[in-house]
Amino acid sequence: AQRVTQPEKLLSVFKGAPVELKCNYSYSGSPELFWYVQYSRQRLQLLLRHISRESIKGFTADLNKGETSFHLKKPFAQEEDSAMYYCALSVNTDKLIFGTGTRLQVFP
Amino acid sequence: ETGVTQSPTHLIKTRGQQVTLRCSSQSGHNTVSWYQQALGQGPQFIFQYYREEENGRGNFPPRFSGLQFPNYSSELNVNALELDDSALYLCASRPLYASSYNEQFFGPGTRLTVL
Repeated sequence: AQRVTQPEKLLSVFKGAPVELKCNYSYSGSPELFWYVQYSRQRLQLLLRHISRESIKGFTADLNKGETSFHLKKPFAQEEDSAMYYCALSVNTDKLIFGTGTRLQVFP
Repeated sequence: ETGVTQSPTHLIKTRGQQVTLRCSSQSGHNTVSWYQQALGQGPQFIFQYYREEENGRGNFPPRFSGLQFPNYSSELNVNALELDDSALYLCASRPLYASSYNEQFFGPGTRLTVL
């Protein structure tokens, strides 16, 4: 079965602290994984994708096929990072399977 | 920049009624997907349309149907509304020549409440 699991509903950190949002997936094929972000009162938007190996707004995510994980990391959290983060798995480029999301709160 | 728009913003219906939600994609976005996002959940794939034909469907009953038009607009129709249909409905489109990265551009959503 194809599934994305985000075990934490809420993650609270102080500004400057490291952040790791966990994502695990279940998929028998070759996965394409994404992180989408939704800031307050804004629409869902793509943050980064594993295949491009990029760093966006200081965030990185590495695909670990052995652990079937795609955790999102940032060494120093900023207040403006507070948002809802969704991990998503692309299946046959037809659809995205989303996790339930993790709310990141960064306190000053 | 995403130019996906959705209407209406909010909608209240009663159980058993029918509803039509609308989405307008950017020019050149020939693939549109619809998602249902229940409270506290991630978006769930309903179906996708490509060149005006359904091209993939999630685990939703036939009373969820759609249309895509040549002008890059699309509709989501839901018949015989049930209380559990209350959710945020998201439209997402993808450019014709998108890479395999499957980056989709999301609209702001329509909040449907079924009483």
